[in-house]
Amino acid sequence: AQKVTQAQTEISVVEKEDVTLDCVYETRDTTYYLFWYKQPPSGELVFLIRRNSFDEQNEISGRYSWNFQKSTSSFNFTITASQVVDSAVYFCALSEAWENTDKLIFGTGTRLQVFP
Amino acid sequence: GAVVSQHPSRVICKSGTSVKIECRSLDFQATTMFWYRQFPKQSLMLMATSNEGSKATYEQGVEKDKFLINHASLTLSTLTVTSAHPEDSSFYICSARDEPTLGSYEQYFGPGTRLTVT
Repeated sequence: AQKVTQAQTEISVVEKEDVTLDCVYETRDTTYYLFWYKQPPSGELVFLIRRNSFDEQNEISGRYSWNFQKSTSSFNFTITASQVVDSAVYFCALSEAWENTDKLIFGTGTRLQVFP
Repeated sequence: GAVVSQHPSRVICKSGTSVKIECRSLDFQATTMFWYRQFPKQSLMLMATSNEGSKATYEQGVEKDKFLINHASLTLSTLTVTSAHPEDSSFYICSARDEPTLGSYEQYFGPGTRLTVT
């Protein structure tokens, strides 16, 4: 069965620290998609990245970077030099292509608090 | 990018009444829309998949008669919470998919509707 685990419930850091948010997933399919979303206090989900299962290249976008490792079924997200505006809940999500629905299975989220 | 709106953003209703939430794709056509529910400090749980012109597909444990979904056009899906009770109080989020081909889609999320049932 598909499942997304975000073991870190809450993380607190001081501004300028680097922080890594963990995501471990389970899937029976060989073709799947992984996502990260940010949910600030306003509640609106902000799309950060989508990665398909055949692309294991790490990605960097500004202060954000993602490490996808199929061998450990992990898709971790690192914020470098964190800022107060990064404070939010971050969700990792999985979508399996075989189900033909593209529905997203979300992890429980990690609440990140960045203090000045 | 594509924009999805939800209306209303907040609603307070009395127990026993029904509430309708609209989800609109503003600049694209969405054959498929999804409805999620999020309780405070919890994750998003998929409630149902809404397909234009056909019946919605509900996730296990979601009452079809309680949460009525209508996807009558390519830009509008509605979720009606019938006979609402305080335990239905939650944050309801919709998303819309703009590409029918599997694997090449992008899901766009609405801003959410906060429902409070008193």
